[in-house]
Amino acid sequence: SQKIEQNSEALNIQEGKTATLTCNYTNYSPAYLQWYRQDPGRGPVFLLLIRENEKEKRKERLKVTFDTTLKQSLFHITASQPADSATYLCAPLPDTGRRALTFGSGTRLQVQP
Amino acid sequence: NAGVTQTPKFQVLKTGQSMTLQCAQDMNHNSMYWYRQDPGMGLRLIYYSASEGTTDKGEVPNGYNVSRLNKREFSLRLESAAPSQTSVYFCASTGFSSGANVLTFGAGSRLTVL
Repeated sequence: SQKIEQNSEALNIQEGKTATLTCNYTNYSPAYLQWYRQDPGRGPVFLLLIRENEKEKRKERLKVTFDTTLKQSLFHITASQPADSATYLCAPLPDTGRRALTFGSGTRLQVQP
Repeated sequence: NAGVTQTPKFQVLKTGQSMTLQCAQDMNHNSMYWYRQDPGMGLRLIYYSASEGTTDKGEVPNGYNVSRLNKREFSLRLESAAPSQTSVYFCASTGFSSGANVLTFGAGSRLTVL
């Protein structure tokens, strides 16, 4: 069955460092993959999308990579700030069946000042 | 510009009671979705509606029904609530960005079934 794995343990880093979050998926080949941010008590908010034919996508301090051979996406936040503290969810688009996004369980990032 | 609005934000039910979660979007989106989020489980799709007049089951549809009332509104009904349905429910709609569909979520409805 299709599976999405994100590190369930919280990631704690110091302000100014680069945070790297991992998303692994198995048993399918998504046409694209999206990353969302979720703050406590709120709905997820879209951040970035990367397509299967793109190796890397950037937006300000955010960078996403997509390795279709490894079936992995990495999400980087450079020069991290305490305001970046949140849970980050990856969502690969299924390649068959219902065409609705499926989500990983998310990784909580805590940036210490 | 409200985006996606869900009501109620909080609800406590007793086992066996029924209720409807309401969702409305003002972005003229065609597709709408209901997800539930439980600790450690991530977001799981309950039902979705690709367009007005159509609905389809998602990953966890048992115990729920939906109605796509019009293009703006998509409701989720629990006919006989069970403690296993205690969760946070999110409604979302799909817009087109960067050549792909991205989701806009509501703020969530926290439901507790005793």
